[in-house]
Amino acid sequence: DGGITQSPKYLFRKEGQNVTLSCEQNLNHDAMYWYRQDPGQGLRLIYYSQIVNDFQKGDIAEGYSVSREKKESFPLTVTSAQKNPTAFYLCASSWTGNQPQHFGDGTRLSIL
Amino acid sequence: EDQVTQSPEALRLQEGESSSLNCSYTVSGLRGLFWYRQDPGKGPEFLFTLYSAGEEKEKERLKATLTKKESFLHITAPKPEDSATYLCAVQVALYSGGSNYKLTFGKGTLLTVNP
Repeated sequence: DGGITQSPKYLFRKEGQNVTLSCEQNLNHDAMYWYRQDPGQGLRLIYYSQIVNDFQKGDIAEGYSVSREKKESFPLTVTSAQKNPTAFYLCASSWTGNQPQHFGDGTRLSIL
Repeated sequence: EDQVTQSPEALRLQEGESSSLNCSYTVSGLRGLFWYRQDPGKGPEFLFTLYSAGEEKEKERLKATLTKKESFLHITAPKPEDSATYLCAVQVALYSGGSNYKLTFGKGTLLTVNP
């Protein structure tokens, strides 16, 4: 079945530690996105990528980094510079920039 | 600044009691409006895309409509399995004439349908 796989489902980070969230899609979509969801807030865009080896900052990119070396993969690193990393992180993909985005089932990141 | 406001924040219905959810927006150059359903601990599931005022889309007990300032998600004779958070998002171009688009999401409406 085609879809978007995010791993791990739960992740814990220690102070000063970088962690990487995985996102893999087998839908052959060109565009991929990372969002952050906090209680009582709408999804906020962290980074997006329209093609391989290219990505752009979203609204809240500070403290995060990404790479897009393969079409099917778009990992997100939450760095120690992100002071409030506890959130539900969602990865999405779409055919082109203006097509519906389809989401994975998220990674919940917590701080130890 | 693009804004999306969903109301009510929470809605509790009895099974079979029809109602509507509202999504009002202020954006520059709407390219599309999307409705998603999100279950607890899961990612949003795509429901509908609406591109122009007057457009309507239907799926089972759900019907989405669009005007120039708002969209409605009508739920007819809901069942307990329709309980979820419903998210609305508007799509705008990041740059004039460009091919990069951005989704701005509302905070969602938590729908609970009691048997």
